[in-house]
Amino acid sequence: GAGVSQTPSNKVTEKGKYVELRCDPISGHTALYWYRQSLGQGPEFLIYFQGTGAADDSGLPNDRFFAVRPEGSVSTLKIQRTERGDSAVYLCASMLGQGSNEQFFGPGTRLTVL
Amino acid sequence: GQSLEQPSEVTAVEGAIVQINCTYQTSGFYGLSWYQQHDGGAPTFLSYNALDGLEETGRFSSFLSRSDSYGYLLLQELQMKDSASYFCAVRGGYSTLTFGKGTMLLVSP
Repeated sequence: GAGVSQTPSNKVTEKGKYVELRCDPISGHTALYWYRQSLGQGPEFLIYFQGTGAADDSGLPNDRFFAVRPEGSVSTLKIQRTERGDSAVYLCASMLGQGSNEQFFGPGTRLTVL
Repeated sequence: GQSLEQPSEVTAVEGAIVQINCTYQTSGFYGLSWYQQHDGGAPTFLSYNALDGLEETGRFSSFLSRSDSYGYLLLQELQMKDSASYFCAVRGGYSTLTFGKGTMLLVSP
């Protein structure tokens, strides 16, 4: 079946602009995670959704970052007033449920802030 | 907070065996996962250890010692396609993952 998909694959924006990154998880997966990966680093946790609600947003770096999952499926990560330091690959992962051990990652969105 | 240490790079030849070590310090621990990531690709799950001991999955095995805060990934019969970055990750509350910086494995002919 289809895996996790993310759009766009690449996004170039200017400092100060607003961006939205989309994640389509595997159908039926209730758990959804956003991570951010900088060059030469491991993925860094941002936010976790169980169903429609954000159960843990402790990884969001500041209030410019926000994410939603209104129907418990597709999720959108929103970044306001982008800064050059936001440049990274944003990864989405889904998991069937808390009883599972495997997170399935999407290919990521490479965000470049000029 | 949580921190993980793993070697930055390991080199080996085809057919060899390689071990990638991971030590961690964490305030909340449910288990240790391993992920593989090829250059430009998505991380893919390799294994998970919640309890002490060895888990074997084909050519890959993973070991955990909770008392030593230590684990390793063992790759046998190395193939060129195994050249990739390997990440250990601590599973915390809500199954969130805290990743190490990754180990780049270079397999040569």
